[in-house]
Amino acid sequence: AQSVAQPEDQVNVAEGNPLTVKCTYSVSGNPYLFWYVQYPNRGLQFLLKYITGDNLVKGSYGFEAEFNKSQTSFHLKKPSALVSDSALYFCAVRDRQGYSTLTFGKGTMLLVSP
Amino acid sequence: EAGVAQSPRYKIIEKRQSVAFWCNPISGHATLYWYQQILGQGPKLLIQFQNNGVVDDSQLPKDRFSAERLKGVDSTLKIQPAKLEDSAVYLCASRPFSGGRNEQFFGPGTRLTVL
Repeated sequence: AQSVAQPEDQVNVAEGNPLTVKCTYSVSGNPYLFWYVQYPNRGLQFLLKYITGDNLVKGSYGFEAEFNKSQTSFHLKKPSALVSDSALYFCAVRDRQGYSTLTFGKGTMLLVSP
Repeated sequence: EAGVAQSPRYKIIEKRQSVAFWCNPISGHATLYWYQQILGQGPKLLIQFQNNGVVDDSQLPKDRFSAERLKGVDSTLKIQPAKLEDSAVYLCASRPFSGGRNEQFFGPGTRLTVL
């Protein structure tokens, strides 16, 4: 069975500082990996994905993530945080077989202080 | 391009009552999902449709939950009878192709409170 771990319930960072939101996964075979963001009372919004190729993936709003196969990690990063980045972030994984489903982590709340 | 539409946005019911949620996916999207998101947790898949056929409903509590997608477009999710533990946000998502490399597009969700 596939699974995702987001070890931090909350990440606090000052505006202008770099941020990292951690994600590790477990899946049979090679994964598809995704990051979504959720603002209050809104649905999930796609940020970026890793499918194949370059391990560093760039996405929306200046976010990027690095796929590390040996560590089974897909950490979300941004060089300079904005207050408006404060939201709930979800990592998700699925394997590459047929109709396998997407499994989400429990989410990490990112709080960026002015 | 219009996004995934859901209604109602909020619903409050008493336990043992029934409730239904509606979802209209993005036009042309063949795959439709219903998720349950309990406070403090990530979304959990309830059911996945490919056109109007069910692909995966292994986590759907079939004694009380049902879902349909007539004509392969709109979908409804029903709970009958509701329990207190069904209080959650119900998210609908769609995707254009069955290939797993494509991301899902989520609606705003329906927040259900069962009293």
